[in-house]
Amino acid sequence: KQEVTQIPAALSVPEGENLVLNCSFTDSAIYNLQWFRQDPGKGLTSLLLIQSSQREQTSGRLNASLDKSSGRSTLYIAASQPGDSATYLCAVRLPSDSWGKFQFGAGTQVVVTP
Amino acid sequence: SQTIHQWPATLVQPVGSPLSLECTVEGTSNPNLYWYRQAAGRGLQLLFYSVGIGQISSEVPQNLSASRPQDRQFILSSKKLLLSDSGFYLCACHGTLHTEAFFGQGTRLTVV
Repeated sequence: KQEVTQIPAALSVPEGENLVLNCSFTDSAIYNLQWFRQDPGKGLTSLLLIQSSQREQTSGRLNASLDKSSGRSTLYIAASQPGDSATYLCAVRLPSDSWGKFQFGAGTQVVVTP
Repeated sequence: SQTIHQWPATLVQPVGSPLSLECTVEGTSNPNLYWYRQAAGRGLQLLFYSVGIGQISSEVPQNLSASRPQDRQFILSSKKLLLSDSGFYLCACHGTLHTEAFFGQGTRLTVV
């Protein structure tokens, strides 16, 4: 069974520092991996999608890498801002099931202090 | 891109009352649709998924049911709510397995 882990569970950094968020998964057989952001009381906002054949994806200050063989993905957020404060979740799409279900991590809660 | 509408945003219901949460999708056709529940401080739990009209699969046995009467409409229901049904319910969709998944803004359900 696929297990997805995000460590640390919470992170606090001063504004301007780079953020590094980790996601690990136990089974390397995945379709893709998606990073989401969730603000308190809100739904999930898609940040980046990395296909299993890709090594990284970039969007603005965000960069996500994927190492399938070691079961790891890392989300980098450059020059953090207070507006980056949120919970970040990663999810892997399972290939063994054609319905495209996701397995989510529990998330990393990020606070960026001014 | 796809847009997912969920309503209501918040709901307070007494134990034993019925429930109906609705999700509609714009910007795509024949999407895969999902209902998730997020309990406080915990991850997302998949409740139901649907690959087409009238096709529903359940992930966990529970007090809830789902229906898909139209291609872009997904409904979560209960005949009698339990206290344990409280939580944050999210509807999600994606087109193919290689495309992004999108989520609605969620419904906060409190059963009292």
